[in-house]
Amino acid sequence: QSALTQPRSVSGSPGQSVTISCTGTSSDVGGYNYVSWYQQHPGKAPKLMIYDVTKRPSGVPDRFSGSKSGNTASLTISGLQAEDEADYYCCSYAGSYTFVFGGGTKLTVL
Amino acid sequence: EVQLVESGGGLVQPGGSLRLSCAASGFTFSSYWMHWVRQAPGKGLVWVSHINGDGTITTYADSVKGRFTISRDSAKNTLYLQMSSLRAEDTAVYYCARGFNYMDVWGKGTTVTVSS
Repeated sequence: QSALTQPRSVSGSPGQSVTISCTGTSSDVGGYNYVSWYQQHPGKAPKLMIYDVTKRPSGVPDRFSGSKSGNTASLTISGLQAEDEADYYCCSYAGSYTFVFGGGTKLTVL
Repeated sequence: EVQLVESGGGLVQPGGSLRLSCAASGFTFSSYWMHWVRQAPGKGLVWVSHINGDGTITTYADSVKGRFTISRDSAKNTLYLQMSSLRAEDTAVYYCARGFNYMDVWGKGTTVTVSS
């Protein structure tokens, strides 16, 4: 149950696009289409942004999109806005009803 | 309104025990898998445990296996996490969350501090 690997930080200017990667193994990210992404603002509970690799819950802007290639999943945020500044976490099913999170990525909007 | 409210956190000495609760409302509690996720101060999210709708399937992270027990009471619409043999590294905000392969509803968390 090793944590998935995410960059510690990414940044972008308003209006730009950023991509956050999430690297695991064939036992988690690569083995299942059960990757989800969460946004967390300081002092707040996490919020689901993407599930099942590419699906977006109702109410999440279509600026947020997800993808996966092999053992690496990605979250892309286009048209960056100030309110997107937050921590982002990926999570993957790891088999046998267990799950694993990534270490988190701090997004700074310049 | 769909809502999860955690309670039961507090200060406990190393080696002690604590039971967390998560009260669910606004949805059919027994139909959903539930998770516990924790976050140590200044650190990232860590998955802790998972339980199916009728409580017959439970799983745990290696770090808590044998020390924590997840359970649920559908009559009370409440999820529990019984924690024993607590260690300093268990200090965290504990969140309950709804879902199987993703977590679509989260509580605000309850803080557990393990310290002498």
